[in-house]
Amino acid sequence: QKEVEQDPGPLSVPEGAIVSLNCTYSNSAFQYFMWYRQYSRKGPELLMYTYSSGNKEDGRFTAQVDKSSKYISLFIRDSQPSDSATYLCAMNTVGTSYGKLTFGQGTILTVHP
Amino acid sequence: ETGVTQSPTHLIKTRGQQVTLRCSSQSGHNTVSWYQQALGQGPQFIFQYYREEENGRGNFPPRFSGLQFPNYSSELNVNALELDDSALYLCASSWGGEKLFFGSGTQLSVL
Repeated sequence: QKEVEQDPGPLSVPEGAIVSLNCTYSNSAFQYFMWYRQYSRKGPELLMYTYSSGNKEDGRFTAQVDKSSKYISLFIRDSQPSDSATYLCAMNTVGTSYGKLTFGQGTILTVHP
Repeated sequence: ETGVTQSPTHLIKTRGQQVTLRCSSQSGHNTVSWYQQALGQGPQFIFQYYREEENGRGNFPPRFSGLQFPNYSSELNVNALELDDSALYLCASSWGGEKLFFGSGTQLSVL
């Protein structure tokens, strides 16, 4: 079993839709949670960074963390064609190498006009 | 633009050869991490360098090695290339913290 599982699989939505992306994890030591966006032929770009359980909002993006359920989510409101990319969840533990992130396998999102 | 630059952007090698990939960290960053991203997968942590010393390693064999230089730039070396080493290799830098900033990667193809 992978430490981090990401769903859904490839997602295609119309412009303006609300998108929900999710990850579950098995390692209760994970304390830092991130969402990255990766465009084709580019490196991942940090979108959201959270530490505690609860919600964090930044513009059209909301990150949600539920440590008791070992579940994190990213919501995108009013999705745009420019949001079409691969979304990766990532997490880290306290006290380990800061650069050692464990990633999910990614969700490919397509927003069509 | 993150400021992390990698070279080359693409590389083709044959099985058994050796390869060196290069990374220039974002200005002011003192920590560099390397990741391997296979097609359709999330990045996998190879190792991290801090103050020119390896500071954490993932589940990769010793033929994956690295260097960090005083100006915080870095190299990833892979010896005895195997077909499964074909992947996108990503460099990320940070100022000793959890927020990593990635370069665009080097696409390595091993034939």
